[in-house]
Amino acid sequence: DTAVSQTPKYLVTQMGNDKSIKCEQNLGHDTMYWYKQDSKKFLKIMFSYNNKELIINETVPNRFSPKSPDKAHLNLHINSLELGDSAVYFCASSSGAEAFFGQGTRLTVV
Amino acid sequence: SQQGEEDPQALSIQEGENATMNCSYKTSINNLQWYRQNSGRGLVHLILIRSNEREKHSGRLRVTLDTSKKSSSLLITASRAADTASYFCATDGPGTYKYIFGTGTRLKVLA
Repeated sequence: DTAVSQTPKYLVTQMGNDKSIKCEQNLGHDTMYWYKQDSKKFLKIMFSYNNKELIINETVPNRFSPKSPDKAHLNLHINSLELGDSAVYFCASSSGAEAFFGQGTRLTVV
Repeated sequence: SQQGEEDPQALSIQEGENATMNCSYKTSINNLQWYRQNSGRGLVHLILIRSNEREKHSGRLRVTLDTSKKSSSLLITASRAADTASYFCATDGPGTYKYIFGTGTRLKVLA
């Protein structure tokens, strides 16, 4: 069973659309994250949630809205998509030490 | 920027040789982790070393940590073509809920 799974794996959409990426972890971790990997492969934190509460919002535009319905899920909704949003988005979870990442969602905005 | 740095940016070696990559970070840490990312794929967790540890081994991997220099190294011994990937270090600090990644080292192992 995949520990951290995110869907979809690929997402191609037009500018201005709204899209969501879902993430689920079955590790029983309290903390979940969203990271963005840009074209230069830099990985940067976007959000972190602990016990369903937002802990970190790392200067992400408010077009990005995470939602954590329970500790096992952290979804990412993006409004009014822009070309610059094209990237790979990774979900992760941790119990405070090791962090485990999903396979990533490659978002392409055309 | 809080981004950690890794060097070299790219490394090309022959199969069977050892590969060493280095990571430097900027703030005090609880843990440092190394990840592998194959082209177009997800991040695979390799090894974690805690701030009070100096060296750790896992199979062909050896990680060292020098907190006085804020640096770590990852050694892959007897490399294989399948080790070809990008390698990232990531640190987490006291009281933070985030992992700060290095810029990555692209390793190519030639068969």
